Amino acid sequence: DAGVIQSPRHEVTEMGQEVTLRCKPISGHDYLFWYRQTMMRGLELLIYFNNNVPIDDSGMPEDRFSAKMPNASFSTLKIQPSEPRDSAVYFCASSSGTFTGELFFGEGSRLTVL
Amino acid sequence: GENVEQHPSTLSVQEGDSAVIKCTYSDSASNYFPWYKQELGKRPQLIIDIRSNVGEKKDQRIAVTLNKTAKHFSLHITETQPEDSAVYFCAASEGGGADGLTFGKGTHLIIQP
Repeated sequence: DAGVIQSPRHEVTEMGQEVTLRCKPISGHDYLFWYRQTMMRGLELLIYFNNNVPIDDSGMPEDRFSAKMPNASFSTLKIQPSEPRDSAVYFCASSSGTFTGELFFGEGSRLTVL
Repeated sequence: GENVEQHPSTLSVQEGDSAVIKCTYSDSASNYFPWYKQELGKRPQLIIDIRSNVGEKKDQRIAVTLNKTAKHFSLHITETQPEDSAVYFCAASEGGGADGLTFGKGTHLIIQP
């Protein structure tokens, strides 16, 4: 397996624009997580899915953020409208089950909002 | 919810010396404690983990210790090498798995030649 695949790797956009980040988890993994990483706040869990169903979205900062997982092999994180404070590295990660523990991260999407 | 504190934020050691990174957690129900390593510009990767029924776990030059009474756990790296330079994150969760993980803010470990 190629691991967790994220796109785009880098995104530069202007304030107010819509941003869509994409993720393909490892085949067979039941859990998918979206994290945001900044220097100030470290790694923050935004939302996670189990079997394509959102389980905990309490980390989503506000209504401008939304995430979907239409099938087992694809998820999106959308920010609309984007703001400069959304600039961060967004990681997608997948895991094979509650009791296995290990998170497999993608390479991340570095977002810069001007 | 869970709160994980990690210290120090930066640690500089001479190559060959040992490094210790400490974390405390707030939720006494937490029972799974992984450590992730993130090299510059790369993704975090699991290096070692421990569950609450174990007090210590070793894997070659790295070890993790857990004190459930005091609610703290530590990462020990012996005989440090240049490739150990990275940011290390501790985490804790109640469910025993990847769901519900709360991460510490990270420790930037610098290995001085």
